[in-house]
Amino acid sequence: AQTVTQSQPEMSVQEAETVTLSCTYDTSENNYYLFWYKQPPSRQMILVIRQEAYKQQNATENRFSVNFQKAAKSFSLKISDSQLGDTAMYFCASPHQGGSEKLVFGKGTKLTVNP
Amino acid sequence: GAVVSQHPSRVICKSGTSVKIECRSLDFQATTMFWYRQFPKQSLMLMATSNEGSKATYEQGVEKDKFLINHASLTLSTLTVTSAHPEDSSFYICSAREPRTSADTQYFGPGTRLTVL
Repeated sequence: AQTVTQSQPEMSVQEAETVTLSCTYDTSENNYYLFWYKQPPSRQMILVIRQEAYKQQNATENRFSVNFQKAAKSFSLKISDSQLGDTAMYFCASPHQGGSEKLVFGKGTKLTVNP
Repeated sequence: GAVVSQHPSRVICKSGTSVKIECRSLDFQATTMFWYRQFPKQSLMLMATSNEGSKATYEQGVEKDKFLINHASLTLSTLTVTSAHPEDSSFYICSAREPRTSADTQYFGPGTRLTVL
C-alpha cells in the first residue's frame, strides 16, 4: 500500500525561528504533485504549498518552502520566521498510486509555536 | 482562491435517524469531490470519491448503503449518513478538486462535526 510518512508526531519552535517538518512518500509515478496542508484548531484544512515533481526547483510561498529530493522521495517543509498563527497540525500528501486524483495523507505533525 | 463550503458545521441527532451533509464549491465547478472522515488526533481517512453524474467510488471497508453520496451538480455533493449510530460520530470533511489547474489540488470545506446520541 502506498504510504506517506511523517516521522515527527510533535514539534515546537520559538516565535521568529525556523523549523523543518519531514515527510517521505512512496510512489511509482513519474510526474506528480506533492502537498502540505495545515489544520489549525478550527480544523479547516488549508493548502500551504505544493510541489510538482517534474520541477527541480523547490517551491516557495512567502515564509514556507520545501526541500524536495525526488530520488530520496523526501518532501520536507521549512517554515521561516515562525509566527504564533503557524501553530497547527501539518499534513503531507501525495497522489494515490496509479495516477488517481485521490490523495494519501501522512499522520501529521503537531507544530506548536511558542512566544 | 478556491472556496468550498460545508453545511451544517455541526449536527446532533438521535440514533437511528439520517443526517445529510452538503458540500459546495463556491467559485468553481468541481467534477470530482471527496469525502473524508477524521477521528480525534488522527489523519484524514478517505471514504469515497464523488463524481458528478455518476456513482461514487467507495474506499474499502466503507459501507455504501450507510454513507450515501450524491453529486447532483458541478457545485454540490451530499453525504447522507443513514440510520446513524453513536459509532458514526466523527468529523466529516469534504474537498473539491479545482480543475483549472493541472495540479490536482484539493480544496477543503470547513468540516462537519456529527454527534449521534
